[in-house]
Amino acid sequence: DAMVIQNPRYQVTQFGKPVTLSCSQTLNHNVMYWYQQKSSQAPKLLFHYYDKDFNNEADTPDNFQSRRPNTSFCFLDIRSPGLGDAAMYLCATSRPPGEPQHFGDGTRLSIL
Amino acid sequence: GESVGLHLPTLSVQEGDNSIINCAYSNSASDYFIWYKQESGKGPQFIIDIRSNMDKRQGQRVTVLLNKTVKHLSLQIAATQPGDSAVYFCAENKGNFNKFYFGSGTKLNVKP
Repeated sequence: DAMVIQNPRYQVTQFGKPVTLSCSQTLNHNVMYWYQQKSSQAPKLLFHYYDKDFNNEADTPDNFQSRRPNTSFCFLDIRSPGLGDAAMYLCATSRPPGEPQHFGDGTRLSIL
Repeated sequence: GESVGLHLPTLSVQEGDNSIINCAYSNSASDYFIWYKQESGKGPQFIIDIRSNMDKRQGQRVTVLLNKTVKHLSLQIAATQPGDSAVYFCAENKGNFNKFYFGSGTKLNVKP
């Protein structure tokens, strides 16, 4: 089945130690998104790629970066994780314009 | 660790009853809306969508109503089943077909 796959499902890192989360898709969608979701809150859009075009949300901290080396893969880099960055990170894809997003099951990030 | 989240509003219904989940959206430029279902430990799953040129759309057991005058969206689930228990989010695009912003969410609890 075509899908959005996030690895790993659980990630533990140390305060201040860089961490990378990965997302892959078999849907061949143009747009890939990263959301942050904290406990009992809505997913919050961090940024998205439309093909190779990167679009950052105005309130996304500089600590968060992203890379998309090809259509299938997208990475979320957190350069110096703080305790407040502990959350579920969701990757999604869509085929523009105006089609619903397909989500992966997320990576839960814990900070020690 | 993770910061304490907000307490999600909860709707409790009896199995077989109809459920209505409401959402107030924020941006009058939004012209595309999506309802998602999120089960524990999983990513959001598409339920139904509606564009601003419509005020009602029906799917299988679900209906979405859109009132642009008061910026209000509702999701009606007919004959609610235990498998419908989840958190439900509405999302709006704020006029951009490639970006989606989530509302605060409602937890649906179906009692057998």
